[in-house]
Amino acid sequence: QKEVEQDPGPLSVPEGAIVSLNCTYSNSAFQYFMWYRQYSRKGPELLMYTYSSGNKEDGRFTAQVDKSSKYISLFIRDSQPSDSATYLCALRRGEYGNKLVFGAGTILRVKS
Amino acid sequence: NAGVTQTPKFQVLKTGQSMTLQCAQDMNHEYMSWYRQDPGMGLRLIHYSVGAGITDQGEVPNGYNVSRSTTEDFPLRLLSAAPSQTSVYFCASSTNREPQHFGDGTRLSIL
Repeated sequence: QKEVEQDPGPLSVPEGAIVSLNCTYSNSAFQYFMWYRQYSRKGPELLMYTYSSGNKEDGRFTAQVDKSSKYISLFIRDSQPSDSATYLCALRRGEYGNKLVFGAGTILRVKS
Repeated sequence: NAGVTQTPKFQVLKTGQSMTLQCAQDMNHEYMSWYRQDPGMGLRLIHYSVGAGITDQGEVPNGYNVSRSTTEDFPLRLLSAAPSQTSVYFCASSTNREPQHFGDGTRLSIL
């Protein structure tokens, strides 16, 4: 069983829709959670970084963490064609360090 | 400020050849890492470094070597390339607490 599970999609939505992307994990040692966006033939770029359970908002993006359920989500409001990309969740055990465990990534397509 | 720079962007090798993937960062980050990305598997950690002269293995280290003689550079060496090492390789850097910044990758095909 993978440490982090993420539905690879593809997820196809119309422009303006609310998008929900999710990851589940099995090890409660994971304490820090990130969402990266990756455009085709580019490296991942950080979207959201959070530690606490609850919600963190940044513009059209909201990251949600439920440590009791080992479930994290990324919501995108008013989705745009420019949001079409692969979204990767990444988890880290400690406050320090550079050992990330990634989900497989979800391909998102926003149709205009 | 270039961030994380990876060279080359593309490379084709024959089985058994060796090569070095280059990674450089200009942000004075202590931490640097190498990942490989394969379809359906996300990114997997190959090797990482917490400072010059200090390296350690990640999840999939076999067939790869690293060294870190300076803060800026963290090259990844393939000793004897195998078709199973066909992948996209990403280098990343960070401070010890912040999330990692990634380069744009090296696409490697091994025939």
